[in-house]
Amino acid sequence: SQQGEEDPQALSIQEGENATMNCSYKTSINNLQWYRQNSGRGLVHLILIRSNEREKHSGRLRVTLDTSKKSSSLLITASRAADTASYFCATVHLNSGGSNYKLTFGKGTLLTVNP
Amino acid sequence: KAGVTQTPRYLIKTRGQQVTLSCSPISGHRSVSWYQQTPGQGLQFLFEYFSETQRNKGNFPGRFSGRQFSNSRSEMNVSTLELGDSALYLCASSLGGGLGTDTQYFGPGTRLTVL
Repeated sequence: SQQGEEDPQALSIQEGENATMNCSYKTSINNLQWYRQNSGRGLVHLILIRSNEREKHSGRLRVTLDTSKKSSSLLITASRAADTASYFCATVHLNSGGSNYKLTFGKGTLLTVNP
Repeated sequence: KAGVTQTPRYLIKTRGQQVTLSCSPISGHRSVSWYQQTPGQGLQFLFEYFSETQRNKGNFPGRFSGRQFSNSRSEMNVSTLELGDSALYLCASSLGGGLGTDTQYFGPGTRLTVL
């Protein structure tokens, strides 16, 4: 089963509005990452937040992590039409045997920003 | 710097055949990871190579294998192809810290169709 689950599955907003996407996961993590994927630029790494961090910023992006609730959120402020894409969270965690790390993606949120 | 390159970009095979996909990382990157993306299962981690050794692996059967060469280029092989192996195969390179600790840069992918 997926380690990360994004919510909502789809989000449609107007340019200039803020977009918030949430991610929940099941097991302890080493870190959590957010990615964007669109047809023009492929899959792009946006931001990484470690398990001992609570918040990180990068330009118009703000990510929070609540390890007690096993959840993360990605906020995109002042959205633009170019932000239209699928957004995925991915968690890095040890496998059940503790022998190696795995990176597990959620199914993504499809964000549409209307001009 | 040139980005991550993957060859071929498109491939059509029939059931039972085998296929080899190639990935050239960004110069100076020592870690290469492989992912499978399908509409049904989403993005799934296959394995990660670092310094010619498989360092981490996902939950795929042994039909999926890979290797890394001394110049960090990597190949992925799928034997005895099944219809369900039809997918976009992405590779990503990073400097080589632990899985997911460095920014991963993705290639455009190889679209494999199994008939």
